[in-house]
Amino acid sequence: QKEVEQDPGPLSVPEGAIVSLNCTYSNSAFQYFMWYRQYSRKGPELLMYTYSSGNKEDGRFTAQVDKSSKYISLFIRDSQPSDSATYLCAMSGLTGGFKTIFGAGTRLFVKA
Amino acid sequence: DAGVIQSPRHEVTEMGQEVTLRCKPISGHNSLFWYRQTMMRGLELLIYFNNNVPIDDSGMPEDRFSAKMPNASFSTLKIQPSEPRDSAVYFCASNSERQPQHFGDGTRLSIL
Repeated sequence: QKEVEQDPGPLSVPEGAIVSLNCTYSNSAFQYFMWYRQYSRKGPELLMYTYSSGNKEDGRFTAQVDKSSKYISLFIRDSQPSDSATYLCAMSGLTGGFKTIFGAGTRLFVKA
Repeated sequence: DAGVIQSPRHEVTEMGQEVTLRCKPISGHNSLFWYRQTMMRGLELLIYFNNNVPIDDSGMPEDRFSAKMPNASFSTLKIQPSEPRDSAVYFCASNSERQPQHFGDGTRLSIL
């Protein structure tokens, strides 16, 4: 079993839809949770960064962490064609020297 | 602020040639990471440095791969001799302690 599981998609939605992206993980030592957005032919770009459980909101983006279920989510409200990209979850913790583990990434297409 | 800078952006070379990829991390960051990304395997950590010292090189696939960090502002990843299966996008990332990693835009390597 991988430490971090993420459905690769692709996920296709119409413009304006609410998008939900998710990851599950197995290592209870993870404390830092991140979402990266990667456009074609570009490097991953940090989108959201949260510590421990709870919600964090930034504009149209909301990150949720449920440590009891070992489940993290990224919600995108009012999705736009410019949100079309690959979204990678990532996490790190006290074990392994804070080594960051990345999910496989979910490809998202937002249709105009 | 300048981000992580990688060069070259694209490299096409013949099998057996030496390839050198370069990275300049964000100023003030004390950790540097080299990743390889392919469709099949996703983002794989090859090696990371902390304060210019290699900490974990368990992801380096073979002895053909080597990495150096002679100072805080420069690192190289070298492949000698190169093989077609080394074709991938190579990313460099940097961070300061317990902070998220920031990525460069990668080097797209094609070995013919």
